Formats: sequence, structure tokens, C-alpha cells
Amino acid sequence: QSALTQPASVSGSPGQSITISCTGTSSDVGAYNYVSWYQQHPGKVPKLMIYEVSNRPSGVSNRFSGSKSGNTASLTISGLQAEDEADYYCSSCTSSSTLVFGGGTKLTVL
Amino acid sequence: QVQLQQSGPGLVKPSQTLSLTCTISGDSVSSNSVAWTWIRQSPSRGLEWLGRTYYKSRWYNDYAVSVKSRIIINPDTSKNQFSLQLNSVTPEDTAVYYCARATVNAFAFWGQGTLVTVSS
Repeated sequence: QSALTQPASVSGSPGQSITISCTGTSSDVGAYNYVSWYQQHPGKVPKLMIYEVSNRPSGVSNRFSGSKSGNTASLTISGLQAEDEADYYCSSCTSSSTLVFGGGTKLTVL
Repeated sequence: QVQLQQSGPGLVKPSQTLSLTCTISGDSVSSNSVAWTWIRQSPSRGLEWLGRTYYKSRWYNDYAVSVKSRIIINPDTSKNQFSLQLNSVTPEDTAVYYCARATVNAFAFWGQGTLVTVSS
């Protein structure tokens, strides 16, 4: 199972919006609404930010939103803040009853 | 609140078996609709899902193709734990290993992570 494809890096200025894409196939992202997004600061445990494509866990800012179109899922962060600078990973379940992660995207807040 | 506490050695010799345990508090390893999962992370491989165990009238396991021939994940209902065994390790298995609790294929709860180095 190949990893989902994410851009290696994205950047934005405080207050701006950015979008991170996560591209899979018709056997994973395109087949199920089980796409999740994780935020990871250096040396920390990943934190769940979005589940089931667009749902936010309790306590996650509404500046984070998720969507999906075909085989590509997206995470959008609006009103960018310095604390959002981190690595972001997507994941999806697959038709093989496994789960696959994306390669990760480093978000830099300029 | 669910908490996951990992334990196990941080150094394993090549060709030997990596063994880690995850102790669950605030939930049961036998809970329905919950998958108890092992994930690892390394600079070269990023986050990698290794496998899971879950109970749905009986116990099930799913494993990643990349480690399927070498991995066993077992629940221990008497201790409310689940474990990871990875056989025949090589330096490529050096990584931070995490246990995690999955519902709807999302991981809201993670263990603290264990750096496992494979070296003689």
C-alpha cells in the first residue's frame, strides 16, 4: 500500500488561509469517508484534528476544516496563527482493511 | 479519559524480536467499535500504520503488508493491554513506536511513544 501524497511543505502569513492536499486512489481516499488529519509539533505525539473527512473533535479550533473530492482530501486552516506551524499528516482506511498515512506536510508560518 | 502507557526496551539487536506493551486505562481492550493499533514513525518512512487488533464477537487482526510476515499484535484481557511483537528486526525497523486507540479509523488517543533502536 503506497503512502498518500501530500506536498512536502506549505507556507502562509499570519491571518491567511492555507490548504494541504492529500491524494490517494479509488481504493482508499476515494472509496471511504474515513480520512483523518493529524497535527504534530516537533518531539510531540500526533494530535487528531479532523476525522471522517470533515468532523472536528471537541476542543479543536473551527479554523481547521476538511473536505474531499474524488481521490483527494484537503485540510484548510484559516486565520493562520504562529502556533499552527507544525507537520500535518492525513490518513485513510483502505479496501485491504488496512490504513495508510500521507508522507506529511511541513507548515511554515512566515 | 483514555490513557495509553507504553512499555518495553529501547534497544534491540538485529535479527531479534521487538516487543512492546500498551496498557489501557479508561477503556477496555474488548470494547466494541474500537481498534487497538500500533504505528511507527521514522525520518525515512514517516508515519507507518503497522496493524491492529479489535473485538467484534471474536478477535480480529489486520496487518500492514510491509510487516505482515513478521508481526503479531495480541490483546491481553486479564491485564487490559495489547502488545506488539516484530520478529527478525533490522536497522530499518529503528523508529518511534506508538500505540493508539482508533474509532472510525481515527486516532484520538496515543501512547507516549517509544524510541526503539535496532543495533548490535
